[in-house]
Amino acid sequence: DVKVTQSSRYLVKRTGEKVFLECVQDMDHENMFWYRQDPGLGLRLIYFSYDVKMKEKGDIPEGYSVSREKKERFSLILESASTNQTSMYLCASSPRVAGISYEQYFGPGTRLTVT
Amino acid sequence: AQKITQTQPGMFVQEKEAVTLDCTYDTSDQSYGLFWYKQPSSGEMIFLIYQGSYDEQNATEGRYSLNFQKARKSANLVISASQLGDSAMYFCAMREGRGGYQKVTFGIGTKLQVIP
Repeated sequence: DVKVTQSSRYLVKRTGEKVFLECVQDMDHENMFWYRQDPGLGLRLIYFSYDVKMKEKGDIPEGYSVSREKKERFSLILESASTNQTSMYLCASSPRVAGISYEQYFGPGTRLTVT
Repeated sequence: AQKITQTQPGMFVQEKEAVTLDCTYDTSDQSYGLFWYKQPSSGEMIFLIYQGSYDEQNATEGRYSLNFQKARKSANLVISASQLGDSAMYFCAMREGRGGYQKVTFGIGTKLQVIP
């Protein structure tokens, strides 16, 4: 079974703090993604990575950065947390076969509250 | 412009009836993929079905089928014989891009409620 794990289910941070969200997958997937999910807005792509050390901006990268030093690990960093970054953060991974990326496997999510 | 549009915020269906959830997409790529995911109240995201842009047949997976109309850029999900456990949020998603750069974006979702 593919497993995607996220470092925390719930996190409370103060405005201005640096926040690290970690995601680990155990299926050797090439692709990894970070989304945030807010009511009425669906899942919005923050960043994705298609290989080690490779990263691409998604639709809402402002205020976030990412790191992928190892294939199985993809970290999301909030350099200076703000209240508008309070959200559910979902990590996903997907395999790439013959150049085609298939379905994503999601982690359980981290509910981040910034006060 | 929205890449994925789901126009039905909420839907009701009677148990054992079929229901169609709408999804339209916008891309200029020739090669792309369309996905549907289910998110029950527990929060986990569950993959349901996939359709590649070059697939000639509509995808089917058990009670789920994807009504793919390429010219209309629509990829509607059909759930047959609805069950109470089908009550959930449903998200349509699209993969586009080439080589390693393959971005996946989601719609805002449709909340389906199955009535006994």
